[in-house]
Amino acid sequence: KNEVEQSPQNLTAQEGEFITINCSYSVGISALHWLQQHPGGGIVSLFMLSSGKKKHGRLIATINIQEKHSSLHITASHPRDSAVYICAVLNYGGSQGNLIFGKGTKLSVKP
Amino acid sequence: EPEVTQTPSHQVTQMGQEVILRCVPISNHLYFYWYRQILGQKVEFLVSFYNNEISEKSEIFDDQFSVERPDGSNFTLKIRSTKLEDSAMYFCASSELGLAGEVDEQFFGPGTRLTVL
Repeated sequence: KNEVEQSPQNLTAQEGEFITINCSYSVGISALHWLQQHPGGGIVSLFMLSSGKKKHGRLIATINIQEKHSSLHITASHPRDSAVYICAVLNYGGSQGNLIFGKGTKLSVKP
Repeated sequence: EPEVTQTPSHQVTQMGQEVILRCVPISNHLYFYWYRQILGQKVEFLVSFYNNEISEKSEIFDDQFSVERPDGSNFTLKIRSTKLEDSAMYFCASSELGLAGEVDEQFFGPGTRLTVL
């Protein structure tokens, strides 16, 4: 069983749509990362959160620790948002490393 | 804005050869990490490094792998005798030292694509 599950696996949207990507995890965590991976392979950190909600531009990330669930929202989506979005969790009590990654959600935004 | 850099961007090697992947973490960061991603699969943790020693390592990080911080800026991953299955994208990351109990955000490099023939 995967410790980090993301849904959907693939998502196609029209430009301007509101997008939600979900992440559920089965372990106790001290933090959760949302990462963006572009077709060239590079990974960019979008958010790290351990409670509540964070916002950066058109991106919003929320986490519900009790339900072991996090969501990444993109408002007014744009073709340049097309990428793989990865949820990764840091196991509670783990070291600074040892992130456990989800398989990613591949987002394609059509103009 | 400071960033993690990695060289080379693509390395091709013959099976059995040694490779060294290089990373320059963000200058004030003290925790360093290596991850790998086999094509089509999820990213996997290899090793974390702090205060000149390995902090944690995964089952993947066997005796064929080693890490080193040879100077004040570089952080390297060495694979002694590469196997076909070592072909993957290798990502370096770094983070600041948080206060006691605080987890700090990891910043990733662009990756090195290793191809073992």
